[in-house]
Amino acid sequence: AQKVTQAQTEISVVEKEDVTLDCVYETRDTTYYLFWYKQPPSGELVFLIRRNSFDEQNEISGRYSWNFQKSTSSFNFTITASQVVDSAVYFCALSGNRDDKIIFGKGTRLHILP
Amino acid sequence: DAGVTQSPTHLIKTRGQQVTLRCSPKSGHDTVSWYQQALGQGPQFIFQYYEEEERQRGNFPDRFSGHQFPNYSSELNVNALLLGDSALYLCASSPPLGREQFFGPGTRLTVL
Repeated sequence: AQKVTQAQTEISVVEKEDVTLDCVYETRDTTYYLFWYKQPPSGELVFLIRRNSFDEQNEISGRYSWNFQKSTSSFNFTITASQVVDSAVYFCALSGNRDDKIIFGKGTRLHILP
Repeated sequence: DAGVTQSPTHLIKTRGQQVTLRCSPKSGHDTVSWYQQALGQGPQFIFQYYEEEERQRGNFPDRFSGHQFPNYSSELNVNALLLGDSALYLCASSPPLGREQFFGPGTRLTVL
C-alpha cells in the first residue's frame, strides 16, 4: 500500500527564519514520483515540484529546497528566509509507476509570523 | 493561457439531491482527475478520465460518477447526497504522458 505521512500538523515561525517540512512515504513500487503542493487560503493547489525515484539529487529553487533520501524514504522541504506569503498548507504526495493517481499526506499548516 | 477552471465555485444542496460539477482542463491537457478534500484533510482521489473513459477509480461509492467530453472537459456527478459529501472538490489536468497534475480552484460543496 502507498502512504504519505506528514507528522507536523502545524508549524509557526517568525518571518526570515528557515523552516523544514517533513515527509515520509511508503511504497512497494521501485519507480515512483514524489510531489509537493502548496494550498494557500484561496484553496487552489499550487504545484511546486516533482521528483522521480531515480533522481536523488537535491533541488533548489530560489528560497525553496528539497532533500530526497531513498534510504530513509523521506522527501523534506525547506523554505529559507521565510516570508509571510509562504503561509499556507503544504502537501507532500506520491504516485506509483502503474497509475497516475496521487496519494496525498494530511498536510502541514505553516504560519509565518511577521 | 488559462489554467484549469471549475464551476460553480460554491454550491449548497440538501441531503438526497444530485449535483454536477464541471471542469475544463488546461490547454493541451487530455487527462482529468477528480479529488475530494474534506476539511483539514489531504485530497483523496475519486477517479481519472482519459479518452472519454474512466481509467482509474479510488475508493468511492457508485454514487460518484463522471464523464469526459471530446474537448477533454469533464463532469463529476454525485447522486443521493449525504452530509459527509460536503467537501472541496478539486479537478486536476495533466498533459499527454505527463505526471504533473495541475489543479483548479475547486468547487466547495455544502450538503445540508
